[in-house]
Amino acid sequence: DILLTQSPAILSVSPGERVSFSCRASQSIGTSIHWYQQRTNGSPRLLIKYASEFISGIPSRFSGSGSGTDFSLSINSVESEDFADYYCQQSNSWPFTFGAGTKLELK
Amino acid sequence: QVQLQQSASELARPGASVKMSCKGSGYTFSSYTMHWVRQSPGQGLEWIGYINPSSGYTEYNQKFKDKTTLTADKSSSTVYMQLSSLTSEDSAVYYCARGGLRRFFDYWGQGTTLTVSS
Repeated sequence: DILLTQSPAILSVSPGERVSFSCRASQSIGTSIHWYQQRTNGSPRLLIKYASEFISGIPSRFSGSGSGTDFSLSINSVESEDFADYYCQQSNSWPFTFGAGTKLELK
Repeated sequence: QVQLQQSASELARPGASVKMSCKGSGYTFSSYTMHWVRQSPGQGLEWIGYINPSSGYTEYNQKFKDKTTLTADKSSSTVYMQLSSLTSEDSAVYYCARGGLRRFFDYWGQGTTLTVSS
């Protein structure tokens, strides 16, 4: 199974800051990585598909990059509604796997 | 609009089985795969498997293969997941999520909470 390692586990920031989340795959997966946001007591929501493709309805402050084994999700200027958990997911091979997540919290 | 409506929370005894449902609406049901994802208390997300409602084809994560059975009813646009031989470790929130050819999950259900307790 492909292991996805997300770092850091917790990120503490103030509104308006720019942040980046890292996701590293245990083997090369091209751009088959997708990012999700999960707010407290909510369902996951797709933010970015295939490493950098935007999703309709998602604010433009969210962006993704990377290929191979190293990927990142960035938020250009954090807003209060962005404090949540963020997960990466690979679809390169079965079984699909998720990273353990990064918690974005208010400093 | 696309919606995935999941069945209500379940309380089950150890050793029992449960069957939960996920009803799709607002799209052509048979044109998309349906995946199931588990989230244990305070934990991350685990992919369980998926079903192609059009063909009935299923693919399972080996970890869940002996515990899980996925089925689909095209006439009611509903997929089902049956979990057997329940233990306390099966207590979790279970989500259905719409997949497709491009293999990401663009819509999610609200989740079904399963509690296994005697």
